[in-house]
Amino acid sequence: DAKTTQPPSMDCAEGRAANLPCNHSTISGNEYVYWYRQIHSQGPQYIIHGLKNNETNEMASLIITEDRKSSTLILPHATLRDTAVYYCIVRVAEYGGATNKLIFGTGTLLAVQP
Amino acid sequence: NAGVTQTPKFQVLKTGQSMTLQCAQDMNHEYMSWYRQDPGMGLRLIHYSVGAGITDQGEVPNGYNVSRSTTEDFPLRLLSAAPSQTSVYFCASKTGHATETQYFGPGTRLLVL
Repeated sequence: DAKTTQPPSMDCAEGRAANLPCNHSTISGNEYVYWYRQIHSQGPQYIIHGLKNNETNEMASLIITEDRKSSTLILPHATLRDTAVYYCIVRVAEYGGATNKLIFGTGTLLAVQP
Repeated sequence: NAGVTQTPKFQVLKTGQSMTLQCAQDMNHEYMSWYRQDPGMGLRLIHYSVGAGITDQGEVPNGYNVSRSTTEDFPLRLLSAAPSQTSVYFCASKTGHATETQYFGPGTRLLVL
């Protein structure tokens, strides 16, 4: 699986959009980009994933560059409850087997300020 | 559905003691895994299983054993606990379909003295 690079920490004002970047310059054509987050002392929570098109769900938007070497997770209106560590993970998506395992990095600590 | 459950929530062990961390899921998921998380670090994969009777090693398997006799349960065994195994342990499960999300349990906090 391709390696990802994220800033260790970011601040965001409550109510504003939080834009979390992730570099994955060695991503290959069959690898998806996944985002999870971990609120303090809890298990990680899935947010969103995508292959090459931009994706949006009720939690966030995922913007993937055309060359797929980087992506940005957007929380459109950050709240204090969004304070968490955000993990960007790249992995091959195939049915079954070892390709299901997620390898986490150290992520970005997003601190939403009141 | 209860989702992914883990027991106990907290545990204190002495060096050399053994114990089993329990993990169960009621979603009929094929894939289950164990992670550990140490302060200031991300999650590291210990062991995983792609189905009943099948297990494999992750990034940091030493000192841990697993088995998968049923689809629902995936216990993690520490045969002889060491202080280096002080950590928070998370169990996770998902279906075998590649793009399905992984669900995590609430974690077990283990202190080895």
